[in-house]
Amino acid sequence: NAGVTQTPKFQVLKTGQSMTLQCAQDMNHEYMSWYRQDPGMGLRLIHYSVGAGITDQGEVPNGYNVSRSTTEDFPLRLLSAAPSQTSVYFCASSYPSGSGADTQYFGPGTRLTVL
Amino acid sequence: EDQVTQSPEALRLQEGESSSLNCSYTVSGLRGLFWYRQDPGKGPEFLFTLYSAGEEKEKERLKATLTKKESFLHITAPKPEDSATYLCAVQADAGGTSYGKLTFGQGTILTVHP
Repeated sequence: NAGVTQTPKFQVLKTGQSMTLQCAQDMNHEYMSWYRQDPGMGLRLIHYSVGAGITDQGEVPNGYNVSRSTTEDFPLRLLSAAPSQTSVYFCASSYPSGSGADTQYFGPGTRLTVL
Repeated sequence: EDQVTQSPEALRLQEGESSSLNCSYTVSGLRGLFWYRQDPGKGPEFLFTLYSAGEEKEKERLKATLTKKESFLHITAPKPEDSATYLCAVQADAGGTSYGKLTFGQGTILTVHP
C-alpha cells in the first residue's frame, strides 16, 4: 500500500491564483482530513470528510473548498490564493476503531508559497 | 473549545539522558489522545493512542502515559535518531461529529546530542 499520497510536493503561486492540492489514499479509510501547519502553531484542521459526499468545516476553513466524490480522493481547492495561505498542508485518513477513536495517518505534505 | 498545550517547546538532551515531554489537554470528553513523531520535511508518523486515564503504552525507548488532565512521553536512554518534533493531539468524545477531527498541540522539538 502507498498509504496517503499528496501532490504536488512544492508549489509557488501568485496572489489571486487558484489551484487544487491532491490527496489520495489506498487504505479504504472512511475519514479524510486536511490540516495546515504553520511555525509555532501546530496543525490546524481546515476541512474533513466522514465519507463520500459528506464534508464539513474545521477550525480554519475560509478560502478553501473541498469535495469528496470517491472514498479514495479528497482534493483541497484554494479559490483565490493569499499570502496568509503560505503554509505546509497535510492530508490524513483514518477509520473508526472499536474504541471510537480514529487513528489518523498522514501524507508527506505540500509546501505552498503564495507571493 | 478543545485545547492542547505541550511543554517544553524545545528540549536538548545528551545521548543516554532520559527525560519526559508533557502534553496538557482540555476537552469536554476524551475519545483518544495521540502521540506523533515528525521529522523535518515529513508528515507526522503515528506512535501511540491512549484512551483512558491510567493507560500506558511502550515502543522501544518511548513510553506514553495518560491522566485525566495530561499525558507524558517518557524517553529512556535516547539516541540521536530520536531527534524529531513530537506532537500530541486529542479527539473529543462528541458523538458522531468528532470523527476525522483532531486538535493538536504546537509540538516539542527534541534534539539528542551524541
